[in-house]
Amino acid sequence: GAGVSQSPSNKVTEKGKDVELRCDPISGHTALYWYRQRLGQGLEFLIYFQGNSAPDKSGLPSDRFSAERTGESVSTLTIQRTQQEDSAVYLCASSLGLGRAPRSGEQFFGPGTRLTVL
Amino acid sequence: QQQVKQSPQSLIVQKGGIPIINCAYENTAFDYFPWYQQFPGKGPALLIAIRPDVSEKKEGRFTISFNKSAKQFSLHIMDSQPGDSATYFCAASRAGGTSYGKLTFGQGTILTVHP
Repeated sequence: GAGVSQSPSNKVTEKGKDVELRCDPISGHTALYWYRQRLGQGLEFLIYFQGNSAPDKSGLPSDRFSAERTGESVSTLTIQRTQQEDSAVYLCASSLGLGRAPRSGEQFFGPGTRLTVL
Repeated sequence: QQQVKQSPQSLIVQKGGIPIINCAYENTAFDYFPWYQQFPGKGPALLIAIRPDVSEKKEGRFTISFNKSAKQFSLHIMDSQPGDSATYFCAASRAGGTSYGKLTFGQGTILTVHP
């Protein structure tokens, strides 16, 4: 497909379990971002990957959260020992990345994964 | 210093009206200001964006007004239509450096346009 895809679209888990969320960015996009959107709130930045550079993890809320990206392709966001406050929609976005004018800042979002922790 | 404050939280207008959504930022290093539109169950989609070297940008029925000295920017939707009913988010980021592309979002405005 031409857009950013995410899976699963919905995930219900029990408190304390680990979850993995997947993001497939647009082909050729070197930058990939994860955001969290709580109900009725704006998006919170979590982590940013740019090519082979070290990721910017400054938005991760705790050490239970981690993310990986293989090259310039798929990324996985992992939440360990989930808590009820982790319930949110997790959104992935990709962009052309640094130095790719004219609209290099434009981020294309996937539909998100709705995570519910019971 | 990273906050972006957005108002109002919700807005109801009649078809043809001109809703205005306002945002204010604190970090003077921000130099890219996009607006995103989000429909229920979908990810946000870029609507229009502005950089601080201009005070206004217009694309179709959507206009961004930017006031650098006041650190404020706003979205105007001309001749609004029921199909414009969505949640709108302002955002800000730095276009360069290690913070490149990391968007700081406002809280969102739920716009309802009545027929």
